[in-house]
Amino acid sequence: DQQVKQNSPSLSVQEGRISILNCDYTNSMFDYFLWYKKYPAEGPTFLISISSIKDKNEDGRFTVFLNKSAKHLSLHIVPSQPGDSAVYFCAAEGNTGKLIFGQGTTLQVKP
Amino acid sequence: EPEVTQTPSHQVTQMGQEVILRCVPISNHLYFYWYRQILGQKVEFLVSFYNNEISEKSEIFDDQFSVERPDGSNFTLKIRSTKLEDSAMYFCASSEEWGAGQPQHFGDGTRLSIL
Repeated sequence: DQQVKQNSPSLSVQEGRISILNCDYTNSMFDYFLWYKKYPAEGPTFLISISSIKDKNEDGRFTVFLNKSAKHLSLHIVPSQPGDSAVYFCAAEGNTGKLIFGQGTTLQVKP
Repeated sequence: EPEVTQTPSHQVTQMGQEVILRCVPISNHLYFYWYRQILGQKVEFLVSFYNNEISEKSEIFDDQFSVERPDGSNFTLKIRSTKLEDSAMYFCASSEEWGAGQPQHFGDGTRLSIL
């Protein structure tokens, strides 16, 4: 199932700088997109979501941008903090409520 | 903050044995889900459950799998005759509402190891 792809397995940024995590999808029928963060030995934790009818949603240091024509979304974290180091999953939600996840991107924020 | 709890954290079972994974969803949530993540792979949807019925299931969720809400608090996943390829991390999730970008809240998972 390749409907949601995160092509970068890892990303390393300096503390205080911007982290940009990318996600591509193939199904234009997805209604919502969600970002989750996952620490080792824990379950995914919800971060932020965006409706397919919007192009931006912001919550504190986290902003998600959606480009429907390109079937692409990105999560921006500004400023990045060492505690942000985790695996980030992009997920798409269709009209059935189930989540379809990408492979995840491991973010490392260096002090 | 309320959370989804899963037990056990790690389950080791012989191939062919039955296993039951347990979850206590957040108390006011009405929609329940199971996902799994095989090591090195994506988190995959297994099943969703509402009003004591399966709402949707994936191709993975074959006749060997079943779910149940035996009382007002627990939500269980049973694998009737485990196979080696069932080894994975199993996550339970719950949500207050259906879809519409409502976040699903995940437990910390049960690591299932089939020998």
